[in-house]
Amino acid sequence: TQLLEQSPQFLSIQEGENLTVYCNSSSVFSSLQWYRQEPGEGPVLLVTVVTGGEVKKLKRLTFQFGDARKDSSLHITAAQPGDTGLYLCAGAVANAGKSTFGDGTTLTVKP
Amino acid sequence: DVKVTQSSRYLVKRTGEKVFLECVQDMDHENMFWYRQDPGLGLRLIYFSYDVKMKEKGDIPEGYSVSREKKERFSLILESASTNQTSMYLCASSLMGGLNTEAFFGQGTRLTVV
Repeated sequence: TQLLEQSPQFLSIQEGENLTVYCNSSSVFSSLQWYRQEPGEGPVLLVTVVTGGEVKKLKRLTFQFGDARKDSSLHITAAQPGDTGLYLCAGAVANAGKSTFGDGTTLTVKP
Repeated sequence: DVKVTQSSRYLVKRTGEKVFLECVQDMDHENMFWYRQDPGLGLRLIYFSYDVKMKEKGDIPEGYSVSREKKERFSLILESASTNQTSMYLCASSLMGGLNTEAFFGQGTRLTVV
């Protein structure tokens, strides 16, 4: 079983602060996704990373895939209340068809 | 806009009832999944399907069954609902194979068994 550990589990910050959440595993993944989930809704895909060392930016969000493809991080610059939600990472091996999800980081950004 | 649609947002059922949760996707995806999500336990895979009439058990299949008679539709069945099946149920779909397993989720069904 491939386990993904996310940290921190909970994060509460003020608007304008920066933050980083982490997704770690002892397994190597062929791809890794980050999702955001708002209360009462399904997760929505933010980004996919597939190459070791890859960095992708989505406005104020920066995603990095570790060189060994075992870990990933999500950095948010100048967080806003609209960033509030549950952030999930999910990793998969090639052609497996299914992903393993981390338990998520619950982010609250206070105005 | 790609879409995964679950038939109900909220359901309340009695213990022992047979419960059907329906999911439809319009993206012609081969893979479809059913997860349940509980506080502190994350997303746990119940069943998944790679093709019509094909199913594979996930991590927690006990007490559940599935049906995939058409490519676009994947149903989750609780044969005899119990209170410990109260949960948020999420359906997802994805393309078959390759490096990428991007999943598209439905809006979720909040099931309460009383």
